[in-house]
Order: sequence, then C-alpha cells, then structure tokens
Amino acid sequence: EAGVTQFPSHSVIEKGQTVTLRCDPISGHDNLYWYRRVMGKEIKFLLHFVKESKQDESGMPNNRFLAERTGGTYSTLKVQPAELEDSGVYFCASSQDSRTGDTQYFGPGTRLTVL
Amino acid sequence: KQEVTQIPAALSVPEGENLVLNCSFTDSAIYNLQWFRQDPGKGLTSLLLIQSSQREQTSGRLNASLDKSSGRSTLYIAASQPGDSATYLCAVASGYSTLTFGKGTMLLVSP
Repeated sequence: EAGVTQFPSHSVIEKGQTVTLRCDPISGHDNLYWYRRVMGKEIKFLLHFVKESKQDESGMPNNRFLAERTGGTYSTLKVQPAELEDSGVYFCASSQDSRTGDTQYFGPGTRLTVL
Repeated sequence: KQEVTQIPAALSVPEGENLVLNCSFTDSAIYNLQWFRQDPGKGLTSLLLIQSSQREQTSGRLNASLDKSSGRSTLYIAASQPGDSATYLCAVASGYSTLTFGKGTMLLVSP
C-alpha cells in the first residue's frame, strides 16, 4: 500500500513568488492534515480536512496560505506571495478516523526555501 | 494551550545500552500520545500510539508509557543499535485532530 506522498520534495523560490505544494494521502483516508516545521522550532499544525471540508484551520498563519482538497482526494497548499519566514519543511499526514484518535501517517515533506 | 517538552535534546550512547527518552505535556486532557521517528531528510515514521485510557504500548525493543495525570510519557529503547540513530518526536492529540509536537530528541548510537 502506498504511503502519503508529497510533491515537490524541494522548492526554492524568490520572495514574492507563488508556490503550490501537493499532498496525496493514503487511499481511503478521509482525514488529511498539513503541518510545518520552521528552522529550530517544533512541528506545528496548520489545518485539517475531513474529505473536502476544512475541519480546523486554526493553525494557518495568515491569508497568504490557501489550502484546498477538491473531491476529497489530494490536497494543495498554495503560498502567495511567499515571504522569507515561510521557509521550512511542510508535512502532510492522513488518517482513517480522527474521531478515535487514529494514527496519523506522515509524508516525507516538502522543503521550501524562500530567498 | 498545550505545550510539549522533550528531554534530553540530544543523547549519545554506545551500542547495546538501554535508554529512556522523556516527554512532558502541560494539559492532561489528551486523546492520545504518539512517538515518531524521523531520519535526516525523511518524513516521520509512527512508532507507537498510546490512547488516553492506556498506560503503555510495546513494539519490539520499544516500550512507551503514559502517565496522563502527571503529563508524562517515556520511550524506552532496549539494547540500542546504530540503526536506532534518529530524531525521536513526541506528539499529543489534545483536540479533535491536532497534534502538538515537542522539539524532539536527537539520538546517536555509536558502534
């Protein structure tokens, strides 16, 4: 069974540009999460989808970040315009049933560098 | 607001030693606690998940305990091996789905 996949693995962009990160969850997992780790800090929650609906987006830092999950399958996270402080590793995770505190399975992450 | 602390930040041991990694959290109202492993440049691998009603979980040489009332968890690694070298992360689920992570313990097991 394929795990959570993320694309690209690395992205280097200039300040002010736009970047779109993609996450494909494990097949059949309704729950999809985005997390971020910036340099020297702990991994922090960004948002949670249940199917195509945003269940919790309390961790999104500002309105430059837009997450979508059309059709309840893969998800994209767009940063527009990117700022220097957006640099970090963006992780996606999925789980089968969030109500029971199910294990979250993480992807390898996308390393974003904003110059 | 939930906060998770992991001690020590780094640990270096010779192969074969038994070791304990510590995790503490400030809000005892949790759904579960997960221990992850992260290898350099890789994603997170779930090692053990302890539900709030459980006291411990075991998988091979790993044993994780949970004392919810005191806000503590430990990850015990028996007979450590060089392949155990990685960063170990503790995360608690205190909301519907949100995981709050500690900064991790970087473990180096030398042959």
